Amino acid sequence: NAGVTQTPKFRILKIGQSMTLQCTQDMNHNYMYWYRQDPGMGLKLIYYSVGAGITDKGEVPNGYNVSRSTTEDFPLRLELAAPSQTSVYFCASSDPREFYGYTFGSGTRLTVV
Amino acid sequence: AQSVTQPDIHITVSEGASLELRCNYSYGATPYLFWYVQSPGQGLQLLLKYFSGDTLVQGIKGFEAEFKRSQSSFNLRKPSVHWSDAAEYFCAVGNYGGATNKLIFGTGTLLAVQP
Repeated sequence: NAGVTQTPKFRILKIGQSMTLQCTQDMNHNYMYWYRQDPGMGLKLIYYSVGAGITDKGEVPNGYNVSRSTTEDFPLRLELAAPSQTSVYFCASSDPREFYGYTFGSGTRLTVV
Repeated sequence: AQSVTQPDIHITVSEGASLELRCNYSYGATPYLFWYVQSPGQGLQLLLKYFSGDTLVQGIKGFEAEFKRSQSSFNLRKPSVHWSDAAEYFCAVGNYGGATNKLIFGTGTLLAVQP
């Protein structure tokens, strides 16, 4: 059981470039989330989804987009990378029927230069 | 406003000493509370959770936490710290029975363990 898988683990982008952070879960969880983690700031919610075709903004959505075409996948898109998006990104999922907390992926460390 | 406060940014304890990490929350609805641990370069792992019932909850790795509604606190404790406990610890709060299971995280407490 792989849980939540994030790719890539590391990436360096130039300002203005675009990329997609991939997130896949194999637990059939309807709820999925994207957080960013910055030193001393904890985790901030970027976007979340409660099921395929349903997404909503979190606390810090500017500069990001998401889609949810399947239950398993929840990619995060950066369209025009900026230095302020240098961060560690975590994807997580949870089961709405029995909430035992999140299952987190191992993270993607992104640097924008 | 909903929030989680971890007042201690960094704590250093000696191996074998006891540990208490503080967490205070502000939440309008009945909260459910979590503690997560993050080892360097890793994702977050659930240590323990509180939904209802007994206010003292046991978790993995010998950790426990006590929910005190009157103080809006959910402090994490361990009687004897091991060097492998060095990590960052996050407290989180969410809405019990909510529609989205969104969690609000604290800013974390970085634990260092001295030999």
